[in-house]
Amino acid sequence: QQPVQSPQAVILREGEDAVINCSSSKALYSVHWYRQKHGEAPIFLMILLKGGEQKGHDKISASFNEKKQQSSLYLTASQLSYSGTYFCLAYSGAGSYQLTFGKGTKLSVIP
Amino acid sequence: KAGVTQTPRYLIKTRGQQVTLSCSPISGHRSVSWYQQTPGQGLQFLFEYFSETQRNKGNFPGRFSGRQFSNSRSEMNVSTLELGDSALYLCASSQEGGNQETQYFGPGTRLLVL
Repeated sequence: QQPVQSPQAVILREGEDAVINCSSSKALYSVHWYRQKHGEAPIFLMILLKGGEQKGHDKISASFNEKKQQSSLYLTASQLSYSGTYFCLAYSGAGSYQLTFGKGTKLSVIP
Repeated sequence: KAGVTQTPRYLIKTRGQQVTLSCSPISGHRSVSWYQQTPGQGLQFLFEYFSETQRNKGNFPGRFSGRQFSNSRSEMNVSTLELGDSALYLCASSQEGGNQETQYFGPGTRLLVL
């Protein structure tokens, strides 16, 4: 099953904050976050690993709650360039892992 | 370093035909993964290749196949095309692949099946 992302869409004014959630019914090994702008390829934002390790951009933060199998992406002081669709990519299991994307959260930042 | 490149960028085929898409990873990257993106299903994982071997596979029919060459370039083939195969096909490369690696996506090949 796909992880569930919420909200599906959000509109922010520049400078406002947002949280995007990604929840899975499966035990997760890692969660990756990507942003895709219309007509462009997804770009990497963050990796959160079971056990707490994180890899990613300095200006973006995220969390991974292993008990809830949920990850949250925190966007603070949003800029126009933050607009796009945010996807989580959930890896369940190690070794022969399964990977599934959430359906995406469309973020629009307006002046 | 040059990014991930995919060819062709656009393709129009008819039902029943077959198609081959190509992906050149970032230099030094040995893992290539393929994804299908459609408005209805979103992004779905097709398969991952590492050192010329398929390491992982998503839930797609056998009409979808791939291979990787010794220089890490990868091709994806879809046989007996169906209308539902119309999609953006993305490939992504990483150094070693797996669930802890950053993936770098190419611009995609947009396939339209008529």
